[in-house]
Amino acid sequence: AQKVTQAQTEISVVEKEDVTLDCVYETRDTTYYLFWYKQPPSGELVFLIRRNSFDEQNEISGRYSWNFQKSTSSFNFTITASQVVDSAVYFCALRPSWGGYQKVTFGTGTKLQVIP
Amino acid sequence: NAGVTQTPKFRVLKTGQSMTLLCAQDMNHEYMYWYRQDPGMGLRLIHYSVGEGTTAKGEVPDGYNVSRLKKQNFLLGLESAAPSQTSVYFCASSRGLAGEGEETQYFGPGTRLLVL
Repeated sequence: AQKVTQAQTEISVVEKEDVTLDCVYETRDTTYYLFWYKQPPSGELVFLIRRNSFDEQNEISGRYSWNFQKSTSSFNFTITASQVVDSAVYFCALRPSWGGYQKVTFGTGTKLQVIP
Repeated sequence: NAGVTQTPKFRVLKTGQSMTLLCAQDMNHEYMYWYRQDPGMGLRLIHYSVGEGTTAKGEVPDGYNVSRLKKQNFLLGLESAAPSQTSVYFCASSRGLAGEGEETQYFGPGTRLLVL
């Protein structure tokens, strides 16, 4: 069985602060994919990133960066210089490389509130 | 190209009533999924389909039925709604092809269902 833990239920930061959202996972699969999704107050799910377990390079996309550490089974997400538009619930997810998205497991989400 | 659409956006039902949620995708995707999202929980898979005419159970299938008569549509039915089915329902689709891990799962905007 696989598991995704997002221990931070809610985080509040003041605008322009940096914030890191934690994601810890458990899986017996040797190859897998990790994901982050954003769910703004409007409710839709926005895909942010997919990371293959083979690729442990950190990734940066504008103000967003992701730190994948296989040794600690973590895939943390950092927002630099946060903005009010970053306020949302963020979900981390995991699926094995084999099979389709029917095998994906979502974390319980972290609600981020950015205060102006 | 509308992506994944869901009908209706919001619905209120009384206990025991039935209804059907419609999901449509215009990306010619093979795989389609229905999830439910409850407060403090990640998305949980209800049913999924790997192609026209095929359906399978997910993690929480009880109380729901599905049909995939046309490739572009995936219907979720509640035969006798219960308050425990109050939730936000998301439909999603993906290209399919197990093992082709670099594909993306696309989500619809969600349907809010309240069962009184």
